[in-house]
Amino acid sequence: ETGVTQTPRHLVMGMTNKKSLKCEQHLGHNAMYWYKQSAKKPLELMFVYSLEERVENNSVPSRFSPECPNSSHLFLHLHTLQPEDSALYLCASSQEVRVKLGGYTFGSGTRLTVV
Amino acid sequence: DQQVKQNSPSLSVQEGRISILNCDYTNSMFDYFLWYKKYPAEGPTFLISISSIKDKNEDGRFTVFLNKSAKHLSLHIVPSQPGDSAVYFCAFSPNTGNQFYFGTGTSLTVIP
Repeated sequence: ETGVTQTPRHLVMGMTNKKSLKCEQHLGHNAMYWYKQSAKKPLELMFVYSLEERVENNSVPSRFSPECPNSSHLFLHLHTLQPEDSALYLCASSQEVRVKLGGYTFGSGTRLTVV
Repeated sequence: DQQVKQNSPSLSVQEGRISILNCDYTNSMFDYFLWYKKYPAEGPTFLISISSIKDKNEDGRFTVFLNKSAKHLSLHIVPSQPGDSAVYFCAFSPNTGNQFYFGTGTSLTVIP
């Protein structure tokens, strides 16, 4: 399998649940990202990892907890979410964290609904 | 405060004609400008980019124009094809930092 793969594609969770989103890239990239896309809003950067080290955390609430065990895998652990956290969560990767003109490779996203 | 604006949420164009998608920005520190294309149920796909030292970049049917004085970016698709029907996002970045600022997207429909 090639590209960036995200699982699950859809997730419905209660506010007291704990769940995790998984992202895997098979491109040999060194940087991975979590983005959030809420309805009718632009993509918002959540976290940036470079060679498994978190290099950016954009004021994201602590109920979102990222984990990058190696350069190919990225997780987003979710706990005690709110209904307003319902959104499309996109994972992306790039060759380096400072790539500017080459763009990112995005996964297909996880559509999260918090009930 | 939204630094990137795509004011047209949707656009319909006849097959074979030109499609023009637009973005405006407010941050004069932006140096890199990208376009992404997104089909339903898929993630965005990188399409074309330009840096602030240029005003035009062309790749096949796709041409990106940058007007720095007007803080305006556009994407021209000529000729438009039904397979171009998708949502198009612009994304901007300054030279420093890891942040890309995305627009809200324009849904393009190319009518056969």
